[in-house]
Amino acid sequence: QKEVEQDPGPLSVPEGAIVSLNCTYSNSAFQYFMWYRQYSRKGPELLMYTYSSGNKEDGRFTAQVDKSSKYISLFIRDSQPSDSATYLCAMSYYGQNFVFGPGTRLSVLP
Amino acid sequence: DAGITQSPRHKVTETGTPVTLRCHQTENHRYMYWYRQDPGHGLRLIHYSYGVKDTDKGEVSDGYSVSRSKTEDFLLTLESATSSQTSVYFCAISGSGSGQFFGPGTRLTVL
Repeated sequence: QKEVEQDPGPLSVPEGAIVSLNCTYSNSAFQYFMWYRQYSRKGPELLMYTYSSGNKEDGRFTAQVDKSSKYISLFIRDSQPSDSATYLCAMSYYGQNFVFGPGTRLSVLP
Repeated sequence: DAGITQSPRHKVTETGTPVTLRCHQTENHRYMYWYRQDPGHGLRLIHYSYGVKDTDKGEVSDGYSVSRSKTEDFLLTLESATSSQTSVYFCAISGSGSGQFFGPGTRLTVL
């Protein structure tokens, strides 16, 4: 079993839909969680950085962490074609040396 | 890209030649990382540094070495490039409690 699992997609949704992206993990010691967006042929761009459990909101993006289920989610509201990218989750137990999921490819169709 | 540059951005080389990739930051962050990204494998850590002259191995360090003589620069060297090292290489930096920020990447092809 890989340490971090993520459905690779591709996930296709119509413009304006709510998108739910998820990762599961096996190491219960993970406490720091990140979500990245990566456009084709570009470096990953940090979207959300959270510590421990709970929710964090930033504009159209909401990150949720459920440590009891070892499950994290990223919600995108009012999705736009410009949100089409690969989304990576990452996690760590001490705030450095993050382990990355393989990424989910998202397409938002106009 | 959070004050991170990578050079070169593209390189084609031949099997057996040494290659050095450079990462430069202007953020004065303590931690610096080198990753490679390949289809089907995602991002894999090669080496990282937690300070000047302080480095450690990551998941896929064989065939790679690193050096950090200044806070702002982290060099990745492929001692003798092989075709399996054809990849996209990303540098990343992080401070305390800030997450990790990536550079634009270097696309390396080993023929």
